[in-house]
Amino acid sequence: GENVEQHPSTLSVQEGDSAVIKCTYSDSASNYFPWYKQELGKRPQLIIDIRSNVGEKKDQRIAVTLNKTAKHFSLHITETQPEDSAVYFCAATHTGFQKLVFGTGTRLLVSP
Amino acid sequence: GAVVSQHPSWVICKSGTSVKIECRSLDFQATTMFWYRQFPKQSLMLMATSNEGSKATYEQGVEKDKFLINHASLTLSTLTVTSAHPEDSSFYICSAMDSSGNTIYFGEGSWLTVV
Repeated sequence: GENVEQHPSTLSVQEGDSAVIKCTYSDSASNYFPWYKQELGKRPQLIIDIRSNVGEKKDQRIAVTLNKTAKHFSLHITETQPEDSAVYFCAATHTGFQKLVFGTGTRLLVSP
Repeated sequence: GAVVSQHPSWVICKSGTSVKIECRSLDFQATTMFWYRQFPKQSLMLMATSNEGSKATYEQGVEKDKFLINHASLTLSTLTVTSAHPEDSSFYICSAMDSSGNTIYFGEGSWLTVV
């Protein structure tokens, strides 16, 4: 089955800096890679996703890149703000299956 | 957008009792829903796949007789934690994919505390 690894587990940056979170997956059949932001006690919120037919996707300050050959995908947040502080999870799945396999999470702390 | 609703948001129960958590798709039909468990400061772990009109599929290590799943309609799946113990205390959350097949939505989650 699919296995997703995520690094780093914690990330502290200054406001305005960039943050990068990296994930690797094991199943070459996976073709959908969402990223979620989760605040304490709340449901994960989808912030961006990418499908295997593209290599990069951007939405304002957030971007995701995918390297299918290496089975890597990364989340890039530019101009970080304190409200970006949360736990971020990557995930992988095959859209035909729907069930998500999550990474272990990254706790991002953005200091003013 | 599509919404998945979960109830209750939090529940406290005594050891040995059973607790039912509901997951509803409010504006779309979901033949398949998923149940996850999340312990504090950990990731979401898939427990089982809930299939409308048929038996749920459980992930390895999840006791099917302890975590009963019923998906009796296209908009409702229920998770019943039977004979709950303190180690079952966790955040339980469901998900479903909308009709377009493009987006996975999560319920609000349910905090279970077993005392």
